[in-house]
Amino acid sequence: QSVLTQPPSVSAAPGQKVTISCSGSRSNIGSNSVSWYQQLPGTAPKLLIYDNNRRPSGIPDRFSGSKSGTSATLAITGLQTGDEADYYCGTWDTSLSALFGGGTKLTVL
Amino acid sequence: QLQLQESGPGLLKPSETLSLTCTVSGYSVINSYYWAWLRQPPGKGLEWIGSIYYTGNTYYNPSLMSRVTMSIDTSKGQSSLKLNSVTAADTAVYFCARALNSKVGEVVTYYFDYWGRGTLVTVSS
Repeated sequence: QSVLTQPPSVSAAPGQKVTISCSGSRSNIGSNSVSWYQQLPGTAPKLLIYDNNRRPSGIPDRFSGSKSGTSATLAITGLQTGDEADYYCGTWDTSLSALFGGGTKLTVL
Repeated sequence: QLQLQESGPGLLKPSETLSLTCTVSGYSVINSYYWAWLRQPPGKGLEWIGSIYYTGNTYYNPSLMSRVTMSIDTSKGQSSLKLNSVTAADTAVYFCARALNSKVGEVVTYYFDYWGRGTLVTVSS
């Protein structure tokens, strides 16, 4: 069981907006920055968001991140079928460990 | 363009030692970055195993610390992972990745920006 809690699945129609939550505690999300990763089937994870809300070069602005207290949220607007994937949040913990959420499977209906 | 490639045996027997190598190309490992190992059991989520700096400084997942050793060979551009006394629970896709780590005040930013494709390691008798 992951220290960071994510919903197992979310779904929305093409063109719509979806949000994925990531809940932690004061020792991890509450103290440090959050990153988000997209994992398409059969591939390695890809960095989507780092430092709570910053996008690496090449990541479209349809993807955005936010953090408040001990929770973080990934938002995806203008959903496309190609966005179907597993999404993971990640952060650092004061126990000197990198942590991940359990992952959320996004279905574009 | 930075590329990472994992290599090593894909099948182990229980109690054996898992040994994997990550070869970095397009970038020198001698730089201000950590190089990490992560894994993902079939159908499950991501787990961080540990990270090593080019100086050899390491951070390990506390749950695996007693069985993990990481090393780095800057001359070859390689990092290595050893996990001893493996069981079926260690069956997973193993990834290497570059870890970016910074601290501003008390806030740590830690994330993985480049990943290898991963290699499946199966532990079975």
